[in-house]
Amino acid sequence: GAVVSQHPSWVICKSGTSVKIECRSLDFQATTMFWYRQFPKQSLMLMATSNEGSKATYEQGVEKDKFLINHASLTLSTLTVTSAHPEDSSFYICSASWGNEKLFFGSGTQLSVL
Amino acid sequence: QQQVKQSPQSLIVQKGGIPIINCAYENTAFDYFPWYQQFPGKGPALLIAIRPDVSEKKEGRFTISFNKSAKQFSLHIMDSQPGDSATYFCAAITGGSYIPTFGRGTSLIVHP
Repeated sequence: GAVVSQHPSWVICKSGTSVKIECRSLDFQATTMFWYRQFPKQSLMLMATSNEGSKATYEQGVEKDKFLINHASLTLSTLTVTSAHPEDSSFYICSASWGNEKLFFGSGTQLSVL
Repeated sequence: QQQVKQSPQSLIVQKGGIPIINCAYENTAFDYFPWYQQFPGKGPALLIAIRPDVSEKKEGRFTISFNKSAKQFSLHIMDSQPGDSATYFCAAITGGSYIPTFGRGTSLIVHP
């Protein structure tokens, strides 16, 4: 299957700082990328959908000024958690699609905000 | 409103057993039904998927059974192994949207 690389795998930061998470499709051009948040023992919660060169579409209840998404190319999308607070601590996962229903997920980023 | 209902929440079987995970949906516009496997601390991985025009699909030890009239589908894992211990998510996708609606997940433990 296609490979989606996500970095970093885990990050610890102080409250008030910003954290950037990268998601790259390594062997295909992703027309659409998705960002999810997952709490322990729960399902994936879609945060936003991004298409290359256009603004991300955020799900209801997700603060777009808090979670900045940039999809600068067909192989790279970034999620920046701005002014992170302890309640933002979570497992963040990206996924990419090359234009059909098959989604390929990154390995996830565990964010811990102190 | 949960559009894809998954059960059971957790499942424990012995090695060699056949765990079965069930999902049900309401939206008849769904036309692609994937199953994902997720290990702790990792992202989900596509395991197997089916479209509603077939009633069964098998890939290795994994089989999806699909009942269109009942709007239900299930995952069967034949000859389960301890390495199959993971969380399994069913999902449903509407044609053209590419955004899956996930079930709540099933935590499977396979004892040696």
